[in-house]
Amino acid sequence: NAGVMQNPRHLVRRRGQEARLRCSPMKGHSHVYWYRQLPEEGLKFMVYLQKENIIDESGMPKERFSAEFPKEGPSILRIQQVVRGDSAAYFCASSPPWASGGDNEQFFGPGTRLTVL
Amino acid sequence: AQSVTQLGSHVSVSEGALVLLRCNYSSSVPPYLFWYVQYPNQGLQLLLKYTTGATLVKGINGFEAEFKKSETSFHLTKPSAHMSDAAEYFCAVRKTGNQFYFGTGTSLTVIP
Repeated sequence: NAGVMQNPRHLVRRRGQEARLRCSPMKGHSHVYWYRQLPEEGLKFMVYLQKENIIDESGMPKERFSAEFPKEGPSILRIQQVVRGDSAAYFCASSPPWASGGDNEQFFGPGTRLTVL
Repeated sequence: AQSVTQLGSHVSVSEGALVLLRCNYSSSVPPYLFWYVQYPNQGLQLLLKYTTGATLVKGINGFEAEFKKSETSFHLTKPSAHMSDAAEYFCAVRKTGNQFYFGTGTSLTVIP
């Protein structure tokens, strides 16, 4: 059973370009979470999605950031018109549905390190 | 309201000394509690978790944590620090509805 997959692992963009980060959850997991980790800072929650639904986006910046988790395919975190302050590690995590066991933890991917030049 | 508080963003211990990383949570219902470790340039790995039952939980790499309801705490300990324990440690709580809340992390430095 493959773990959470994220790609690319490293992404370099120039200011004003778009960044697309992909996350494939573990098999059987229908819940995806995105986190951002800035240098020397902790993990900041961004968004929680289920298939075709955004459950909680309270941590997402109001502009330029969007996320989706379509019925088919990976979850995508999209950052439009990137700025240098967007440089960070972006982590995706997945978990099974609550009903399948409340003690299930989140499983994390290796992260995508975004550098904005 | 803050759900998870990790006291001390940086902790330094000597090799062989006791490791104690503090975590307090706020929850009106019995929570599920987790500790994760993050090594440099890697994702988070689960160290241990508390769900129900025994309040002293043992995890990987010799770590353990004790759930104390009266103190709303879930501190992480290891009797003897090893150089390889140097990493960032995150406490997390899972409440109903699949919502996870992470602490801000504690960076552990082990001094030879």
